[in-house]
Amino acid sequence: DAGVIQSPRHEVTEMGQEVTLRCKPISGHNSLFWYRQTMMRGLELLIYFNNNVPIDDSGMPEDRFSAKMPNASFSTLKIQPSEPRDSAVYFCASSYQGFHTEAFFGQGTRLTVV
Amino acid sequence: QKEVEQNSGPLSVPEGAIASLNCTYSDRGSQSFFWYRQYSGKSPELIMSIYSNGDKEDGRFTAQLNKASQYVSLLIRDSQPSDSATYLCAVNRGNTPLVFGKGTRLSVIA
Repeated sequence: DAGVIQSPRHEVTEMGQEVTLRCKPISGHNSLFWYRQTMMRGLELLIYFNNNVPIDDSGMPEDRFSAKMPNASFSTLKIQPSEPRDSAVYFCASSYQGFHTEAFFGQGTRLTVV
Repeated sequence: QKEVEQNSGPLSVPEGAIASLNCTYSDRGSQSFFWYRQYSGKSPELIMSIYSNGDKEDGRFTAQLNKASQYVSLLIRDSQPSDSATYLCAVNRGNTPLVFGKGTRLSVIA
């Protein structure tokens, strides 16, 4: 079974450019999470979806960040315009919504904004 | 503010020893507790879950939960150099997103 698939694995972009991160969750999972990891703040939840519907985006740091889930097998996280402080590793994770269910993580996208 | 606290480490133990990793959480409504292992440059990987007070053993790993004290721990017996990683504690209310601690870096010295 394929796990959570993220692309790209690495992204280097210039400040002000638009960045789009992509995620394919595990088939059959109906919850999807976007996390950001930095040394200072650890793993922070940005937004999560249940059945393709955004439930809580309170973790999205600014209006420059947006996320979509047009169908059960695809989600995007977009940053426009990007800034150097957005540099981090962005993880997508998925789970089957229910009690006591764990989340499975993709390999992450390492974003560097110069 | 729901928080999960862990000692950042590094925790250094000799090979073959028991490594003890600790975690406290602030949300008394937490129902599910997880330990993830993260190697440098890799993604978090689930190694243990626990939902009831007491101990849960899986191979060399034992998770311990005390809801009254809001405390969860992970014991690694017969530690190996391959156990060197960052261990993340995560909790949730059962069907809500996981809240993670910042992790404890474990170093097992051969």
